[in-house]
Amino acid sequence: SQQGEEDPQALSIQEGENATMNCSYKTSINNLQWYRQNSGRGLVHLILIRSNEREKHSGRLRVTLDTSKKSSSLLITASRAADTASYFCATAPEGGAQKLVFGQGTRLTINP
Amino acid sequence: EPEVTQTPSHQVTQMGQEVILRCVPISNHLYFYWYRQILGQKVEFLVSFYNNEISEKSEIFDDQFSVERPDGSNFTLKIRSTKLEDSAMYFCASTFLQGSNYGYTFGSGTRLTVV
Repeated sequence: SQQGEEDPQALSIQEGENATMNCSYKTSINNLQWYRQNSGRGLVHLILIRSNEREKHSGRLRVTLDTSKKSSSLLITASRAADTASYFCATAPEGGAQKLVFGQGTRLTINP
Repeated sequence: EPEVTQTPSHQVTQMGQEVILRCVPISNHLYFYWYRQILGQKVEFLVSFYNNEISEKSEIFDDQFSVERPDGSNFTLKIRSTKLEDSAMYFCASTFLQGSNYGYTFGSGTRLTVV
């Protein structure tokens, strides 16, 4: 698989349920970021977790990072219809490289 | 909250024509980027720009592409002799400090359609 692969590719849940998305990557990273993209719109930065952090919270978002497994998860608790969007993980490679490397994304649908 | 502004939001151009996509990054940010997203595919890095010069570019960013910061606020991507496969959403992004654990701020994108 390529750097920044999310699974599942698509997830459909009922409003109020929790949604979990996973991301795997291959190279050493400086940090890992999660972004949301509403259909046809721009990317919105959600949360950043550093390589020396294991867990981070922001409102209803919880991100974990396991550098030994090169994986991360994004949990959205108490989902709302407005959370319907695509979610991407993006890794900032170690060593000062400039670019973010994005995954394919998870398409999340929250059913009312 | 500060925003990255991109214009136009949509651009339709004939194959072979030149297009200029414009971006106004956040004023105190120092690093600027262009990414693109072909419909249904990953967001791909094109180029990064710092201190008035390209700091890194991808294989996609060949001689057909160029970037410029003509003044203190605008950051442009020029695509010469557009091809059908250049049709994509182009995103500008900026960040305050590279590798500093700041997230990037992305613009809303320019949807480029080459016909």
